[in-house]
Amino acid sequence: EAQVTQNPRYLITVTGKKLTVTCSQNMNHEYMSWYRQDPGLGLRQIYYSMNVEVTDKGDVPEGYKVSRKEKRNFPLILESPSPNQTSLYFCASSLLGAGPNEQFFGPGTRLTVL
Amino acid sequence: KNQVEQSPQSLIILEGKNCTLQCNYTVSPFSNLRWYKQDTGRGPVSLTIMTFSENTKSNGRYTATLDADTKQSSLHITASQLSDSASYICVVSSLTGANNLFFGTGTRLTVIP
Repeated sequence: EAQVTQNPRYLITVTGKKLTVTCSQNMNHEYMSWYRQDPGLGLRQIYYSMNVEVTDKGDVPEGYKVSRKEKRNFPLILESPSPNQTSLYFCASSLLGAGPNEQFFGPGTRLTVL
Repeated sequence: KNQVEQSPQSLIILEGKNCTLQCNYTVSPFSNLRWYKQDTGRGPVSLTIMTFSENTKSNGRYTATLDADTKQSSLHITASQLSDSASYICVVSSLTGANNLFFGTGTRLTVIP
């Protein structure tokens, strides 16, 4: 089944404890992206990747890191999480770029930073 | 400034009734417009995608319209069902670059029996 998977789905952590949220897609998509979703603000892009080893900042990249060593995986790293990073996170992928192609979203990761 | 605005923010309707959600945008140059359905706590799922030359597209009981001249789109839901309760997000893509997506904040639809 074609899909985007994220792990973990739920995570509660404390300020400053490094964490990684994994994202994987099995559709051979070149483009992958991370979003956070907060009430009243909608989806905001954190980072995106046009292809392997190519990443770039989105609208709200502060406090996050990403890597794209393989086409299928695009982990999101929070080196020192803070409470303002409590949010619902979505990974997405599309065939070639986000503009012309449909994006497929993962199921989401709900992160709480205490 | 490229923006996407949706209205209403929230809507409650009775099961079986129709409803229409609105999306106005200022994104330019325009590439395409998508409507997504997002169930609570889950990832958005694509309903329709329309390019400049398309002014209507249907997906079952969902019909999206696009007026590229006035930069407006609507999503019409016919004979609503309880499972239609979700947030509906309008997303507009710009022709400039491969990462130019602009998201609306969504309309929260609740269908009650």
